[in-house]
Amino acid sequence: KQEVTQIPAALSVPEGENLVLNCSFTDSAIYNLQWFRQDPGKGLTSLLLIQSSQREQTSGRLNASLDKSSGRSTLYIAASQPGDSATYLCAVRRETGANSKLTFGKGITLSVRP
Amino acid sequence: DAGVTQSPTHLIKTRGQHVTLRCSPISGHKSVSWYQQVLGQGPQFIFQYYEKEERGRGNFPDRFSARQFPNYSSELNVNALLLGDSALYLCASSLGPHLAKNIQYFGAGTRLSVL
Repeated sequence: KQEVTQIPAALSVPEGENLVLNCSFTDSAIYNLQWFRQDPGKGLTSLLLIQSSQREQTSGRLNASLDKSSGRSTLYIAASQPGDSATYLCAVRRETGANSKLTFGKGITLSVRP
Repeated sequence: DAGVTQSPTHLIKTRGQHVTLRCSPISGHKSVSWYQQVLGQGPQFIFQYYEKEERGRGNFPDRFSARQFPNYSSELNVNALLLGDSALYLCASSLGPHLAKNIQYFGAGTRLSVL
């Protein structure tokens, strides 16, 4: 059974700091990995999707990396801003099957202090 | 273009009651998936529907059921509500049936509180 872990559960940093959010998964047979952002009480916004054959994806100040063999992914946020404060969720899809559901971690709640 | 829309936004029920949650996918999307997110946890997969047929089911009791209509909208039904059913229920839509090959877009969710 796939398990996705995100540690720590919460993080507080001063504005302007570069930071790294970690995600680990137990079964390396994944099809892709996705990072989401969730604001309090809201739905999920997809940030980056990395296919299993890729090593990283970039979007603006965000960079996500994937090391499939070691079961790890990181989300790098450059020059953090108060507007980046949210919960960041990592999710993986297994490699086989048409009904390949997303398996989520519990998320990391980020607070960026002005 | 409208994204995934869910209704209602918030709902309060008492134990033992029944609830129906609704989801309209993005125009042109034929697949709808439902997830339950308990406070402090990541979302858990409940169901996937494509072309009105169930394509996947997560580890949830039979009290949970869903259906998809010809216009691809979907309903999630929960019977005999328990306190533990209190959660944010998320709907996601995608173009095709293969969740691994089609990006899912999430709605804002329905917040269900069971008292």
